[in-house]
Amino acid sequence: DADVTQTPRNRITKTGKRIMLECSQTKGHDRMYWYRQDPGLGLRLIYYSFDVKDINKGEISDGYSVSRQAQAKFSLSLESAIPNQTALYFCATSDASTPPLNYGYTFGSGTRLTVV
Amino acid sequence: DQQVKQNSPSLSVQEGRISILNCDYTNSMFDYFLWYKKYPAEGPTFLISISSIKDKNEDGRFTVFLNKSAKHLSLHIVPSQPGDSAVYFCAASPSNDYKLSFGAGTTVTVRA
Repeated sequence: DADVTQTPRNRITKTGKRIMLECSQTKGHDRMYWYRQDPGLGLRLIYYSFDVKDINKGEISDGYSVSRQAQAKFSLSLESAIPNQTALYFCATSDASTPPLNYGYTFGSGTRLTVV
Repeated sequence: DQQVKQNSPSLSVQEGRISILNCDYTNSMFDYFLWYKKYPAEGPTFLISISSIKDKNEDGRFTVFLNKSAKHLSLHIVPSQPGDSAVYFCAASPSNDYKLSFGAGTTVTVRA
């Protein structure tokens, strides 16, 4: 099994629908992140959580919400999906005791979301 | 405004030759710099990193160079191999904040 698992892998949804992307990890890491990838823009941080009770907005949090249900689970919700939220979404984890220098983040394989 | 910039969206290189990927940053608080590699349908994977106290870090065929005064880093791959064909992301973080800022990525194609 993958260290960081994202579900679903692909999803097509209609404008205005609520959708949840899920992420679970077996790394035992405290820190979890949601990024989106867009062509020409790279990876941009949506939300991050340094432990179960700590949730923080990233640079592009508008239109998104998150829930950290447990140390191993971090879900991203689009309350009312719009077409410009069509993107590739990545969940990542990192170890609080290890600087990003050593291993960086561990990423999931991504969820390709299309809003029509 | 992107704090990490990769101005070359793509790079094509012949197998066995050197690949040089460039990255510029604007935030003087960045202390850690990392390169990630991404294949299609997979998440990015950590490749190599460097801290601001060094100007070079080498790991096998991969070497990262840091020029703090110019706010510039580069990744050298020597020799390039077909399996190196991927998207490469540059990332950076301040030492007191483990959130990574990423560049837009450079797609490397290694020709046989």
